[in-house]
Amino acid sequence: DGGITQSPKYLFRKEGQNVTLSCEQNLNHDAMYWYRQDPGQGLRLIYYSQIVNDFQKGDIAEGYSVSREKKESFPLTVTSAQKNPTAFYLCASSIMRGNQPQHFGDGTRLSIL
Amino acid sequence: GESVGLHLPTLSVQEGDNSIINCAYSNSASDYFIWYKQESGKGPQFIIDIRSNMDKRQGQRVTVLLNKTVKHLSLQIAATQPGDSAVYFCAENTGSGNTGKLIFGQGTTLQVKP
Repeated sequence: DGGITQSPKYLFRKEGQNVTLSCEQNLNHDAMYWYRQDPGQGLRLIYYSQIVNDFQKGDIAEGYSVSREKKESFPLTVTSAQKNPTAFYLCASSIMRGNQPQHFGDGTRLSIL
Repeated sequence: GESVGLHLPTLSVQEGDNSIINCAYSNSASDYFIWYKQESGKGPQFIIDIRSNMDKRQGQRVTVLLNKTVKHLSLQIAATQPGDSAVYFCAENTGSGNTGKLIFGQGTTLQVKP
């Protein structure tokens, strides 16, 4: 089945540690996105990428980094500079031509040890 | 500034009744709107979308209405079922270039009473 796969489902971070969240899609979508969701809140955009080897900051990029070396993959690294990383992280992808909905993975829940 | 907001944080309805979830947006340049459903511990699931050149669109048991005059969007769910219990988000594409970026509202929790 085509879709978006995020892994792991749960992740724990020690203080001072960087962690990387995986996002893979087999929908042949050009654009990919990372969002952060806090309890009872909407989604806030961290980073997005419209083509391979290019990405842009979203509204809350500080403390995060991304790469887009392959069309199918858009990993997110939560660095030690992100002081409040506990949240639900969602990856999405979409077709770039015209207005198209974003399709989401099932998220990674990151907690601090 | 740009914002997408929902009028009520929680909506409780009886099984079998119709549900109406509302959303206000502030950017008159927005040209595309989406409704998502999010169940606990899962990612948002696409329900229905509408472009700004339309004022109504129907899907299976769902209807989206767009009123550009008052910048209001609503999702109507017919014959609400227990499986409809979830958080519903509206999202808008502000039309600022073809970036595909969406702005999400805070969400409305729909509770369906048996």
